[in-house]
Amino acid sequence: NAGVIQTPRHKVTGKGQEATLWCEPISGHSAVFWYRQTIVQGLEFLTYFRNQAPIDDSGMPKERFSAQMPNQSHSTLKIQSTQPQDSAVYLCASSLEGGYAEQFFGPGTRLTVL
Amino acid sequence: GDSVTQTEGQVTVSESKSLIINCTYSATSIGYPNLFWYVRYPGEGLQLLLKVITAGQKGSSRGFEATYNKEATSFHLQKASVQESDSAVYYCALSPTGGYKVVFGSGTRLLVSP
Repeated sequence: NAGVIQTPRHKVTGKGQEATLWCEPISGHSAVFWYRQTIVQGLEFLTYFRNQAPIDDSGMPKERFSAQMPNQSHSTLKIQSTQPQDSAVYLCASSLEGGYAEQFFGPGTRLTVL
Repeated sequence: GDSVTQTEGQVTVSESKSLIINCTYSATSIGYPNLFWYVRYPGEGLQLLLKVITAGQKGSSRGFEATYNKEATSFHLQKASVQESDSAVYYCALSPTGGYKVVFGSGTRLLVSP
């Protein structure tokens, strides 16, 4: 079991460019979560998919951020027109099911917007 | 909304000494929240250390313990004798009863000196 896989591990973009982050959940897990970690805000929930369907995106910034889960083996987080304040570590997690089932985290993608 | 407070940003303890990392929480949702301690070892991803979903119960793992104190709304992490390999960042977290959205504290970096 390879665990949750996130690619790339590091990404540097220029202001105004688009960034796409990838997550491959653990095989058999039906729930996928995205979090963002910054020094100022700490670890924040962004969005949640269950059986590929979006369930809760209450943590997603209303503009420029979108997440998808086109199949059970991967999810993407896309940031359009990146801004310096988007710089953060983006974490993906998966769990067997929703609820309080243990969430297994990936290593994260460190996004730096210049 | 729900929140978790960790007052110490960093704790330094000598090897074989005891440890306590403080955590208090505030939960606005109905019922008692589920409580967690996550740990991030150097170079590794975030992983669950222990969880307690019933008020009054104690969770334990790898020599660490935490008791769910609903009166004090606390969930302090303790270990009787730390080892250098315990050096890591520890995050206290909660999720609502039956819920999935994990709210994290700011984290406490533990440095164990030989």
